[in-house]
Amino acid sequence: GESVGLHLPTLSVQEGDNSIINCAYSNSASDYFIWYKQESGKGPQFIIDIRSNMDKRQGQRVTVLLNKTVKHLSLQIAATQPGDSAVYFCAEKVQNAGGTSYGKLTFGQGTILTVHP
Amino acid sequence: DVKVTQSSRYLVKRTGEKVFLECVQDMDHENMFWYRQDPGLGLRLIYFSYDVKMKEKGDIPEGYSVSREKKERFSLILESASTNQTSMYLCASRYRPASGANVLTFGAGSRLTVL
Repeated sequence: GESVGLHLPTLSVQEGDNSIINCAYSNSASDYFIWYKQESGKGPQFIIDIRSNMDKRQGQRVTVLLNKTVKHLSLQIAATQPGDSAVYFCAEKVQNAGGTSYGKLTFGQGTILTVHP
Repeated sequence: DVKVTQSSRYLVKRTGEKVFLECVQDMDHENMFWYRQDPGLGLRLIYFSYDVKMKEKGDIPEGYSVSREKKERFSLILESASTNQTSMYLCASRYRPASGANVLTFGAGSRLTVL
């Protein structure tokens, strides 16, 4: 099964509200997580990442929170805009048995964010 | 900016046909990946390549093969297309900035329909 998953498949918000997208992961050994945004007709684009030695990381209007105790990750978008409407994926880095990853990521199912004007 | 280009945005093929999906990146990245994207399943890794002529299976390699003869080009091959391979295929290249982040840059995708 999926080692990374999302609690809600869809989220609708009003323009200007804050959005929170949640993600659960099952591998307690995961040490790196990343959020992607995918707009219609495009490939996923990097938003923000976080290492397991951090609880929080902020970008421009986005914040990622990591709770290792309950293996939960969230993406917060401040003052959500119509241009934020997209599918959001969380992903975790996959480690091979030898400790290498070559950059492989395991993705969650995705959450559709719709922002209403 | 890194550019990952997938040559075909839309393809329609018949069952049993051989299909080639091409991907080119312009930043001399060593690692390249092929994912397929299906609704409700997210992105699943088919194959990846960590160097020229080097490849490893991902989570769902059955029915697929890959070729990496040059560093910039990574091809996904469906030897005999089947209807359950109808999907969106995404190619990615690995970018490692000075911060040590592990960022994959994706192409726009190739939507394959197998009839």
